[in-house]
Amino acid sequence: GAVVSQHPSWVICKSGTSVKIECRSLDFQATTMFWYRQFPKQSLMLMATSNEGSKATYEQGVEKDKFLINHASLTLSTLTVTSAHPEDSSFYICSATRSGGASYEQYFGPGTRLTVT
Amino acid sequence: GESVGLHLPTLSVQEGDNSIINCAYSNSASDYFIWYKQESGKGPQFIIDIRSNMDKRQGQRVTVLLNKTVKHLSLQIAATQPGDSAVYFCAEWGSNYKLTFGKGTLLTVNP
Repeated sequence: GAVVSQHPSWVICKSGTSVKIECRSLDFQATTMFWYRQFPKQSLMLMATSNEGSKATYEQGVEKDKFLINHASLTLSTLTVTSAHPEDSSFYICSATRSGGASYEQYFGPGTRLTVT
Repeated sequence: GESVGLHLPTLSVQEGDNSIINCAYSNSASDYFIWYKQESGKGPQFIIDIRSNMDKRQGQRVTVLLNKTVKHLSLQIAATQPGDSAVYFCAEWGSNYKLTFGKGTLLTVNP
């Protein structure tokens, strides 16, 4: 159990366009979902924390108007990269915690590779 | 500030040998530590965790040691196999209710 999926697994888009990435908890309800970004050969950096039904909390330095996060249900959170630029090319990973579970017990998705040309 | 770092960025071992991956942390208030394995192009996979009130925890072929005196965490993998080749991250759960990841160690297992 505790499977998290992401869609798409990879995407290539042109500079200036927007891209939406979905994160789904397949077999459990997730009150909280987290979005991370990982550049090549680097660690995961938390971008934002998303709670179902409320606004996301963004980390310092992450532009909330550029990285739109929606957590409309207990099984789905979306990250939209607006007006993407080549520097936004990265590996985006989401994680989810079970409703009623500990927030440190995060189940990670397989990641989405975004390439902006 | 808070930080979690690794002593060795790369580690190469022979199949069958034991591997030790180290991690240093700076936030003495953290009470939960996790080791993750990440294969190329995939998300992190949970390996083992340990609470700050413990010194050692064992799993299947893996052991995590926590030394709070020197703020050091290690992951020991017994009888390392080629399938263990990956990047290993330690992560710290702090009082800010966030996971802070270390830099990662690339483990290469030579057959």
